[in-house]
Order: sequence, then structure tokens, then C-alpha cells
Amino acid sequence: ELKVEQNPLFLSMQEGKNYTIYCNYSTTSDRLYWYRQDPGKSLESLFVLLSNGAVKQEGRLMASLDTKARLSTLHITAAVHDLSATYFCAVDMEGTYKYIFGTGTRLKVLA
Amino acid sequence: NAGVTQTPKFRILKIGQSMTLQCAQDMNHNYMYWYRQDPGMGLKLIYYSVGAGITDKGEVPNGYNVSRSTTEDFPLRLELAAPSQTSVYFCASSYSAYRSYYNEQFFGPGTRLTVL
Repeated sequence: ELKVEQNPLFLSMQEGKNYTIYCNYSTTSDRLYWYRQDPGKSLESLFVLLSNGAVKQEGRLMASLDTKARLSTLHITAAVHDLSATYFCAVDMEGTYKYIFGTGTRLKVLA
Repeated sequence: NAGVTQTPKFRILKIGQSMTLQCAQDMNHNYMYWYRQDPGMGLKLIYYSVGAGITDKGEVPNGYNVSRSTTEDFPLRLELAAPSQTSVYFCASSYSAYRSYYNEQFFGPGTRLTVL
């Protein structure tokens, strides 16, 4: 059974601090997606990582993918309150059209 | 473009009632998906479709049915609603699931369903 696990599940951090969210998955896949969800809202695509070693950056967020370790990271640099949201990673299963989402990491940035 | 639209936004059903959640996209996407999100949880795939006339089950299909008669529309039918189906339902679409394309999904605003 394919599993996508994120840790931590909850993260409370001070503004200005750095932190990393981890996404582990249990099957072979060479692409991974990160999404953001604000409370009561829908999901918004942040990053698409298409191959081993891929790194994408947007503002204070940087995502990377290690397909050999089946691990993706989402690094937050100098957090600001506006980054407070729930972050999901997702993996599409090779040979299928299905996506499996992680459990989500609820991030709260304190002023 | 409106993107992915869903109706209704909110609905309360009584146990045993049925309803259809509507989903439409105007991006000419081949692939469409239905997910449910329980409070504080991730998304579970209910059904998906790779094109008009083609649908398949996801992780949690029991109690639901879908159809895809056009590229644009992908309705989700709930038969005999149960309290366990209380959830937020998201419809999503993507251009292509072939390996050579970006496959990011575009999500609708969601339908919040309560079954009492």
C-alpha cells in the first residue's frame, strides 16, 4: 500500500525562524507536488518536482526531491505570518493516474 | 477562465437522502478527480476520470458514483447518505497524467456536506 507521510503534523514557529517539513513516500515515483491550503479554502499548487535532485524556490519556500531516498523537503526561510497554512505533499503513482496525498503539516507562524 | 467550479458550496442532508455534487472545468483538461477531506485530515481519492466515458475507483469509492459524459463535467452522486459521508468534497482537474507533462492538479472551491 502506498503511503505518503509528512512530519511534523503540526508546527508552531516564530517569525524570522527557519524550518523544514519532510515528506516520505513508500513507492517508486519521480515526481512530487506541494500544495498549500488556507483554513476553509481549497488547495493551491506550490511546486511540481519532476526528477531526482529537483529544487524549486518561490519566495521564502524551497522544495527539493530525492527520489532514491523517497523524500521531499519543504524548507521555510525567515518565516512570516502569511505563511501560516496547511501544506500537503502528493505523489502520483507510476503506471496509474492516481495521486496520493500526505497527511498535511499545519503551520502556524507566530508574530 | 473560471477554472474548476463546484456547486453547491454547502449542503445538509438527512440520512438516506441522495444528492449530486456538480463539478465543471473550462480548461479542457482530460483528467478529473473527486476527493474528500475529513476535518484535520488529508485528501482521499474517491473516483477519477481520464476522459469522457472513462472512470475508475480511487481509495474510498463506496457510497458514491460518478459519470463523465463530457470533458467539462464530472458529477459525483451520493446515494443513501450516511453520517460517515460528512466531509468537504473537492473536485480537481489536470491537463495530462502522462509522465512528460506537468501534472499539477487544479482544485475547485469545495462542497461542505453534512449528513444528519
